[in-house]
Amino acid sequence: DGGITQSPKYLFRKEGQNVTLSCEQNLNHDAMYWYRQDPGQGLRLIYYSQIVNDFQKGDIAEGYSVSREKKESFPLTVTSAQKNPTAFYLCASSIDLWDRFTEAFFGQGTRLTVV
Amino acid sequence: QKEVEQNSGPLSVPEGAIASLNCTYSDRVSQSFFWYRQYSGKSPELIMSIYSNGDKEDGRFTAQLNKASQYVSLLIRDSQPSDSATYLCAVNIEAGSGYSTLTFGKGTMLLVSP
Repeated sequence: DGGITQSPKYLFRKEGQNVTLSCEQNLNHDAMYWYRQDPGQGLRLIYYSQIVNDFQKGDIAEGYSVSREKKESFPLTVTSAQKNPTAFYLCASSIDLWDRFTEAFFGQGTRLTVV
Repeated sequence: QKEVEQNSGPLSVPEGAIASLNCTYSDRVSQSFFWYRQYSGKSPELIMSIYSNGDKEDGRFTAQLNKASQYVSLLIRDSQPSDSATYLCAVNIEAGSGYSTLTFGKGTMLLVSP
């Protein structure tokens, strides 16, 4: 089955720790994204990427980092510099960023809680 | 910043009624518009896309687009309790360097009562 796999589903982080959220897709999509969702809020874009080893900051990139070493994988690291990391993190992919008509498909999300 | 606005709701309708969800956007050059449904604790799933002015129907769902008014809506006919969810409006907005990304509204919660 083609799709987007995020892991883990739930993640607990201590203050001051970095944590990495995994995202893998087998849809052969070029574009991948990370969004953050807070309770009662819409999705806010953290980072996006069109090709391997290239990515762009979204609206709320501070305190986060990403890598794109393989087309299929786009992990997100939540660093200790992120002041309020507790949120629902969603990875998505689409055919490519040049296509203004393509929809995005989402993984099942990772719920991160700071303890 | 280019914005997408939705009423947060909740919008409450009885079973069998028509639910009307609305969305406005600020970027005049946007060309594609999407409605996603998100159940509590789950990820968004795409239910409709629309690119041209007018109506687009898919089963019980109708998306309406008016680019001159920068307005998108979603009608759900014969609403069912299983339609109770948050509906997210998303607009494809130019992000620079020729790229475009989806910007989301905050979503409208729909409650369908039996």
